[in-house]
Amino acid sequence: GENVEQHPSTLSVQEGDSAVIKCTYSDSASSYFPWYKQELGKRPQLIIDIRSNVGEKKDQRIAVTLNKTAKHFSLHITETQPEDSAVYFCAAITQGNEKLTFGTGTRLTIIP
Amino acid sequence: EPEVTQTPSHQVTQMGQEVILRCVPISNHLYFYWYRQILGQKVEFLVSFYNNEISEKSEIFDDQFSVERPDGSNFTLKIRSTKLEDSAMYFCASKLAGVHEQYFGPGTRLTVT
Repeated sequence: GENVEQHPSTLSVQEGDSAVIKCTYSDSASSYFPWYKQELGKRPQLIIDIRSNVGEKKDQRIAVTLNKTAKHFSLHITETQPEDSAVYFCAAITQGNEKLTFGTGTRLTIIP
Repeated sequence: EPEVTQTPSHQVTQMGQEVILRCVPISNHLYFYWYRQILGQKVEFLVSFYNNEISEKSEIFDDQFSVERPDGSNFTLKIRSTKLEDSAMYFCASKLAGVHEQYFGPGTRLTVT
């Protein structure tokens, strides 16, 4: 089955700087890659996603890139703000089924 | 904006007891899921449900687990005889047909003592 690796496990950046979180996946048939933000004790919230026929997608301060050949995708957050502090999970869905396989999460801390 | 809801928010039960966790998916969604998250770990898939039957389940979802859509709005997860290792946050999710985006409920924290 699909396996998703995520790095780093923790990340601290100064407010205003950029943050990058990276994930790799194992199943070349995976076709959908969402990113979820989870604040302490709250539900995972979908913040951005990308499909396998697209290389990059941007939504204001967040962007996701996908390299299908290398089987990795990354989340980029620019001009970070204190409210960006949370745990971020990447995930993948393999074509033909609908279960999300999650990465292990990255705890992002924005230092004011 | 419609959201997935779950009850209760926190359930404490003794080992060996049965628990039922309840979810109300977004009303026009047709695919339903249960995931769990052990404290400090990643979210893990348990089961998916479509057209009144299980479409996929993980190895975690053994004979002690069952799901049901008893009416047009609720989706439940039952654990027949809870174990200490069942302690986790359980998330329900739902989605529309034809899209991938899954929307999560706020979770039920299950504590087995």
